[in-house]
Amino acid sequence: GEDVEQSLFLSVREGDSSVINCTYTDSSSTYLYWYKQEPGAGLQLLTYIFSNMDMKQDQRLTVLLNKKDKHLSLRIADTQTGDSAIYFCAEDHNTDKLIFGTGTRLQVFP
Amino acid sequence: DAGVTQSPTHLIKTRGQQVTLRCSPISGHKSVSWYQQVLGQGPQFIFQYYEKEERGRGNFPDRFSARQFPNYSSELNVNALLLGDSALYLCASSLGLAGGNTGELFFGEGSRLTVL
Repeated sequence: GEDVEQSLFLSVREGDSSVINCTYTDSSSTYLYWYKQEPGAGLQLLTYIFSNMDMKQDQRLTVLLNKKDKHLSLRIADTQTGDSAIYFCAEDHNTDKLIFGTGTRLQVFP
Repeated sequence: DAGVTQSPTHLIKTRGQQVTLRCSPISGHKSVSWYQQVLGQGPQFIFQYYEKEERGRGNFPDRFSARQFPNYSSELNVNALLLGDSALYLCASSLGLAGGNTGELFFGEGSRLTVL
């Protein structure tokens, strides 16, 4: 099947690190993505990782990929209140058709 | 440069009616995809168009149709609306098909459809 799973909620204190996890099912996916969605808005591409990589770092964002376990994570360092949003992981099937997870709602409190 | 633009931003219809949603991709992008996002869920793929041809279709009934115009803009049509069609409809554009895919799929703000 085409199921991408994420935990529903994550709550962190401002300044701490956030780790959002995702499990995907298609080992043939070429790219894996993280998107951010703020209330009432569309999807913003945060970062993506090519399937032959283990890690990608982009400023405060670190993506880890464990292809053996089909596990993807997004770490946000020094989490800020502006990071509060829903985060979606997504996989492709070597097409522009993305399979999205159910989303993780990140709440950052002072 | 303008991003992906969609219209209308909000609309309300009743069951059985028809709706047309519009999307203008980023200038230079030839691929347009449509996604449906029901409240509380992740987006679900509906269609992809590239160079005015349908290149992919998700698991949606024939009530859903789309087309792409010579200027690469696109319309999504939904006939015989059901309550369950209430959702945020997202359009995304990219330069081309996978193969040249660099992961950059840009989304618009969406059209929020409410069916009463």
